[in-house]
Amino acid sequence: GENVEQHPSTLSVQEGDSAVIKCTYSDSASNYFPWYKQELGKRPQLIIDIRSNVGEKKDQRIAVTLNKTAKHFSLHITETQPEDSAVYFCAASTGSNYQLIWGAGTKLIIKP
Amino acid sequence: GAGVSQSPSNKVTEKGKDVELRCDPISGHTALYWYRQRLGQGLEFLIYFQGNSAPDKSGLPSDRFSAERTGESVSTLTIQRTQQEDSAVYLCASSPRTGTSGNTIYFGEGSWLTVV
Repeated sequence: GENVEQHPSTLSVQEGDSAVIKCTYSDSASNYFPWYKQELGKRPQLIIDIRSNVGEKKDQRIAVTLNKTAKHFSLHITETQPEDSAVYFCAASTGSNYQLIWGAGTKLIIKP
Repeated sequence: GAGVSQSPSNKVTEKGKDVELRCDPISGHTALYWYRQRLGQGLEFLIYFQGNSAPDKSGLPSDRFSAERTGESVSTLTIQRTQQEDSAVYLCASSPRTGTSGNTIYFGEGSWLTVV
């Protein structure tokens, strides 16, 4: 079955710098890759997603890139702000399997 | 409702007691998930309901855990004979379509369970 690995587990960056979180997946049939943000004590919420027919997607300061050949996808956050501090989860799923397989999460810390 | 609604939001129970957690999905969402999240940990899949199909119970950690869903509406997660290791946030989520990937899932605020 699908397996998703997420790195790093903790990432500390200076406010204003960029942050990159990477996930690798094992099932080449996976075709949907969302990213969720979970602030402390809150529910996870979708921030961006990408499908396998697209290589990159941007939404203001966040972007996701997908490399199908290498089976990895990454979240990029530019000009980081204090409100970006949270845990970020990646996930992957296939067209034949409704299940989202989740990464273990990355705790992003924005230093003032 | 506007979002996924869960109750109770907080529950403290004594070891050995049974607890019931309720989830009311977004209206019209046919898929419903239960996850467990221990403090500082990731999302642990428990069970999935898809319309009127048989649920996927592959994530339930033991036979003390069970869940029901009536049609495409409310779901109840029951934990019998609670143990301290059951202490966690139980997150419910729903999704608007069935049988296909690529559907955004929306989480509730969670039910925080503490077993003492």
